[in-house]
Amino acid sequence: GNSVTQMEGPVTLSEEAFLTINCTYTATGYPSLFWYVQYPGEGLQLLLKATKADDKGSNKGFEATYRKETTSFHLEKGSVQVSDSAVYFCALSGPYEGAQKLVFGQGTRLTINP
Amino acid sequence: GAVVSQHPSWVICKSGTSVKIECRSLDFQATTMFWYRQFPKQSLMLMATSNEGSKATYEQGVEKDKFLINHASLTLSTLTVTSAHPEDSSFYICSASEVSYEQYFGPGTRLTVT
Repeated sequence: GNSVTQMEGPVTLSEEAFLTINCTYTATGYPSLFWYVQYPGEGLQLLLKATKADDKGSNKGFEATYRKETTSFHLEKGSVQVSDSAVYFCALSGPYEGAQKLVFGQGTRLTINP
Repeated sequence: GAVVSQHPSWVICKSGTSVKIECRSLDFQATTMFWYRQFPKQSLMLMATSNEGSKATYEQGVEKDKFLINHASLTLSTLTVTSAHPEDSSFYICSASEVSYEQYFGPGTRLTVT
């Protein structure tokens, strides 16, 4: 079945540092790929997504590119802020196991120090 | 927009009792709702998918007689943990989607069974 593996945390960085959170997946066909963010005390929010190979999702300075050849969807941000401290989840859906069913990675806790 | 609430946010119950968790879509009609379970420092695992007015579809390994799901209206789904035991202690998260297929997540409910 489909699965997602993301880098283990926690990750601690200083403000303005460069961020990469690795995510790789296993799936049949071409799934849709997502990054969700969970701020303390809140529900998961969709951060960005990509639905086909070579698509780049971007939002709030974060980017991730759908790489079919390496089955990866790494999350990057050039200069992180304290407000980016949260838990980040990589996820996929479809195409054969139900278009709406999400499979999540284990989450990476990110802490940004001022 | 697209707000999902859960109630209660934290519940403690005694072993052998039942507890009900509510999930509401506040500003949209949710044709489909999902229930997830999250163990500490682990990923979200889908428990079941429910469509309004239909029986829920449970994932493999989830006991449908223990985790009763009711999706009685387009804005409300409930999860009842029957005869709860300490091993049922976990963080339960719901999500809701309308025709766009994007899932909107609630903040979660922490269940502690003593």
